[in-house]
Amino acid sequence: QVQLVQSGAEVKKPGASVKVSCTASGYTFTDYYIHWVRQAPGQGLEWVGWISPSNGGTRYAQNFQDRVATTRDTSNITAYMELSRLTSDDTAVYYCARGGQYCSGGRCYWHSFDYWGQGTLVTVSS
Amino acid sequence: QSVLTQPPSASGTPGQRVTISCSGSASNIGGNYVTWYQQIPGTAPKLLIYYNHQRPSGVPDRFSGSKSGTSASLAITGLQSEDEADYYCAAWDGSLSGPVFGGGTKLTVL
Repeated sequence: QVQLVQSGAEVKKPGASVKVSCTASGYTFTDYYIHWVRQAPGQGLEWVGWISPSNGGTRYAQNFQDRVATTRDTSNITAYMELSRLTSDDTAVYYCARGGQYCSGGRCYWHSFDYWGQGTLVTVSS
Repeated sequence: QSVLTQPPSASGTPGQRVTISCSGSASNIGGNYVTWYQQIPGTAPKLLIYYNHQRPSGVPDRFSGSKSGTSASLAITGLQSEDEADYYCAAWDGSLSGPVFGGGTKLTVL
């Protein structure tokens, strides 16, 4: 069965960086994008960005464009999200999610987040 | 401020039918598939509906989705206490080149 297992909770000081991992199993890692979504305490879901495990291509939400980086290690079937210059506003649970997709005319398109990791709580506090 | 608009709360009694709306624009719901998620507090979201109305294996047929123009709805029939959760809609936004979410609807089973 498809599983995404994330790294454990982190506590960081303002200005620091955090790197969260997401290890996949149960499917071919390079066949599906990995997305990152965050949820601040008591708030809704916010898309952060995605990475294509097959070619390393990335795209980020405008809010995070200049301080987020997503990478992958195909040999360890793991995706990573690193967020830098942390502030208290970055305190949130960060989820990785597999991008469900459909393909048409030689291109593939996102249609859902079909499997989710368990989430990683990142706390930013001085 | 979420790109998609959902009511913050909804409620119903066991056995009732409830609907949750999700409103967007031509760049997201109007031109792309809508998806719905259920999130029980303290857990990760779970996919309920994709392709506007398709249910993944294991999701009861009490849950159904629909879309018309730039709006979508999630309907839950035969409401059960275990349905008490937060529900989120999402769709791809062509202008933003990424998925966007609604703000979430907290469903209370009275």
